Amino acid sequence: DAGITQSPRHKVTETGTPVTLRCHQTENHRYMYWYRQDPGHGLRLIHYSYGVKDTDKGEVSDGYSVSRSKTEDFLLTLESATSSQTSVYFCAISDQTTRGIYEQYFGPGTRLTVT
Amino acid sequence: AQTVTQSQPEMSVQEAETVTLSCTYDTSESDYYLFWYKQPPSRQMILVIRQEAYKQQNATENRFSVNFQKAAKSFSLKISDSQLGDAAMYFCAYRRTGANSKLTFGKGITLSVRP
Repeated sequence: DAGITQSPRHKVTETGTPVTLRCHQTENHRYMYWYRQDPGHGLRLIHYSYGVKDTDKGEVSDGYSVSRSKTEDFLLTLESATSSQTSVYFCAISDQTTRGIYEQYFGPGTRLTVT
Repeated sequence: AQTVTQSQPEMSVQEAETVTLSCTYDTSESDYYLFWYKQPPSRQMILVIRQEAYKQQNATENRFSVNFQKAAKSFSLKISDSQLGDAAMYFCAYRRTGANSKLTFGKGITLSVRP
């Protein structure tokens, strides 16, 4: 258990409304990630963070923004939700094992439906 | 860019039998990591096994083992003595070395286990 929680776990919203998803971790990990999971696509990286206030884009970042004002929280915002953003969203952290390998561990996911 | 391909969308195995899930990848890097993640119906992403590219020895974790063929860029997962709890979606993933490297996922394969 990497101490990752996501909120909300489920959300239904209307097209055009802003939505913020929260990822919270308790173990002071530096690296955090947001992925989306869609059928036929696996998981795709939206944005990531390598420290407080340090973020960068992933492969599917259009329509999303992120913020990280403190180590434990990584927020994903959909400024104006669209139906194409209906998906399951996963937060992940990167942690180094005793063997020196960086591995990613995932939160429980948030199912977002945009109607 | 790195790509990960899982060409079989679904597989089925009889309980107690052995099944092999295939994965191929493309990269120009010589050092990297490969992973298999399991996603049961609970949606939680669970790290099953990892392989360091510089190691020739195939990784093993209890009933799970891999067949890593670096020259062929192939990374298959073998599940021995299959159990009903192994039914899930399985994702193959690639990651370059480095603390902040992102994961690149395949599209996943759905494994069902017949009692």
